[in-house]
Amino acid sequence: GNSVTQMEGPVTLSEEAFLTINCTYTATGYPSLFWYVQYPGEGLQLLLKATKADDKGSNKGFEATYRKETTSFHLEKGSVQVSDSAVYFCALNSGGSNYKLTFGKGTLLTVNP
Amino acid sequence: DAMVIQNPRYQVTQFGKPVTLSCSQTLNHNVMYWYQQKSSQAPKLLFHYYDKDFNNEADTPDNFQSRRPNTSFCFLDIRSPGLGDAAMYLCATSSRDISTDTQYFGPGTRLTVL
Repeated sequence: GNSVTQMEGPVTLSEEAFLTINCTYTATGYPSLFWYVQYPGEGLQLLLKATKADDKGSNKGFEATYRKETTSFHLEKGSVQVSDSAVYFCALNSGGSNYKLTFGKGTLLTVNP
Repeated sequence: DAMVIQNPRYQVTQFGKPVTLSCSQTLNHNVMYWYQQKSSQAPKLLFHYYDKDFNNEADTPDNFQSRRPNTSFCFLDIRSPGLGDAAMYLCATSSRDISTDTQYFGPGTRLTVL
């Protein structure tokens, strides 16, 4: 079955530091890959997505590249801000007749000033 | 802006007292989902509607029911809430006509069971 593995948190960084949150997946076929962000007490917001191999999703300074050869979709940002403090979820959707999202366990990021 | 709206944002109920959570959407999406999210966990899918077709997850307790009277609205009914049902409940939508995979989430309803 499908699965997503994210790096364990929590991750604590200083403002302007470089961020990487690792995500690897197992899926049949050619899944679409997503990063969602959840701020405290809020729902999930779509941060970025990629639908095929070598696609790069980007938004608000965050980037992730769909690497089929390594089954990875690592999230990166060159310079984090305090406002980026949130939980980040990697997810996949294998499409076809199954439109369910499979989530990783989430990574809590705290950015200190 | 087109969006997914959940009401109320916070709901307090008593043990065993039925409660209904509401979700509406202005995206005109044909699929609506309900998730349960407990503290420090990923969301767990309870069920979803594809138009009027209801799809229940195998491990969703019978205590949880849902209704979708029209395209815009979907309700989550918890018939007899237990303490273990305290959680954040998230509604999401997607459009199988536009993009078969992306789900858009509402802000959630935080349920407290006393």
